[in-house]
Amino acid sequence: SQQGEEDPQALSIQEGENATMNCSYKTSINNLQWYRQNSGRGLVHLILIRSNEREKHSGRLRVTLDTSKKSSSLLITASRAADTASYFCATAGRSYNTDKLIFGTGTRLQVFP
Amino acid sequence: DAMVIQNPRYQVTQFGKPVTLSCSQTLNHNVMYWYQQKSSQAPKLLFHYYDKDFNNEADTPDNFQSRRPNTSFCFLDIRSPGLGDAAMYLCATSRDLRAGSGEQFFGPGTRLTVL
Repeated sequence: SQQGEEDPQALSIQEGENATMNCSYKTSINNLQWYRQNSGRGLVHLILIRSNEREKHSGRLRVTLDTSKKSSSLLITASRAADTASYFCATAGRSYNTDKLIFGTGTRLQVFP
Repeated sequence: DAMVIQNPRYQVTQFGKPVTLSCSQTLNHNVMYWYQQKSSQAPKLLFHYYDKDFNNEADTPDNFQSRRPNTSFCFLDIRSPGLGDAAMYLCATSRDLRAGSGEQFFGPGTRLTVL
């Protein structure tokens, strides 16, 4: 069953504005990851936050994690047209020595110049 | 550059005609994954290999098989493709968790069309 639900499903903003995407999940996790997917392409890893972390930054990205609410958010600050893509959260559950990822439904972000 | 390569990028097959998709990696990762992604949906894990150990997801149809002849290569075989198997197939790799964080590295995908 699908683990993560994301909202909004789609988001349109102007360049320079901030974009916030939210992810909710159902079971306990080891970590939560965010990926980006350009249309018709593979996924690119953006950031990983562990279950014992509450906030993490990477460049213009800020991720928060609230394990009590089973939710995470991704904030992209000062967005650019090149940020246009789909963004997926993925929760990781431990399997042997791998992290099996279950992806959320994704948010399609459109940034207008 | 170290990377995950998928061939072909686009594959057209006929209903019921077996098809094989390939993935290779130069990252020397010991875990390889296959995902199916249908249009506007989330990637769905089909199976993964930890070294040569094959791990099938419970809801992966028997129609889907995989082979990993060595560390670098992994194949996805669809024995009798149906119209519902048309999708993007994504290969990914990761390090053993003892050596890495759990981040997965994806190839560009193979888009499968079934006529």
